[in-house]
Amino acid sequence: SQTIHQWPATLVQPVGSPLSLECTVEGTSNPNLYWYRQAAGRGLQLLFYSVGIGQISSEVPQNLSASRPQDRQFILSSKKLLLSDSGFYLCAWSRANAGYTFGSGTRLTVV
Amino acid sequence: GNSVTQMEGPVTLSEEAFLTINCTYTATGYPSLFWYVQYPGEGLQLLLKATKADDKGSNKGFEATYRKETTSFHLEKGSVQVSDSAVYFCALTNTGFQKLVFGTGTRLLVSP
Repeated sequence: SQTIHQWPATLVQPVGSPLSLECTVEGTSNPNLYWYRQAAGRGLQLLFYSVGIGQISSEVPQNLSASRPQDRQFILSSKKLLLSDSGFYLCAWSRANAGYTFGSGTRLTVV
Repeated sequence: GNSVTQMEGPVTLSEEAFLTINCTYTATGYPSLFWYVQYPGEGLQLLLKATKADDKGSNKGFEATYRKETTSFHLEKGSVQVSDSAVYFCALTNTGFQKLVFGTGTRLLVSP
């Protein structure tokens, strides 16, 4: 069966520090991968998506970047976190006719 | 572009009350429509979906009908429970890449 792993579950980081959030998918190949962010009191915003290894599309210009070094691995990064980067980050995957599956999320607090 | 509009919350109900959460959409072509639920501290789970006009999605007592004429996909449940307290997101995907576009979410609070 297909599963998606996302870690860590919670993270508290100081302003200006780097960030690396990892997401891996099991049980499928060549999925579309996504990073969403849910800021406090707001809806879900698509940050990045990827249709294949090394292929990243950014939806919103910001302080974050994404990479896909392997078919089932998707990484969200920042060189220097801002307070406004705080939020709940969700990784997801999809394939044609298979719908979306979300990870359990990472709550990031930048202090 | 594609967008989803949901009623603002929170929606506060007593147990066994009837629930409606409104959702309307704007999209080109023929989108698929979804309701996702987020329980406290958790990620998103698919609640139900409909892929064409007049389809009715249903799950766990929740229902929503894809109404193309009114571009709506309202979520309903006849009798809510305390355990239904969560944030509900309406969403759509269009043909092609399948990017999922979400509404802002509606928080439901059910009291005993």
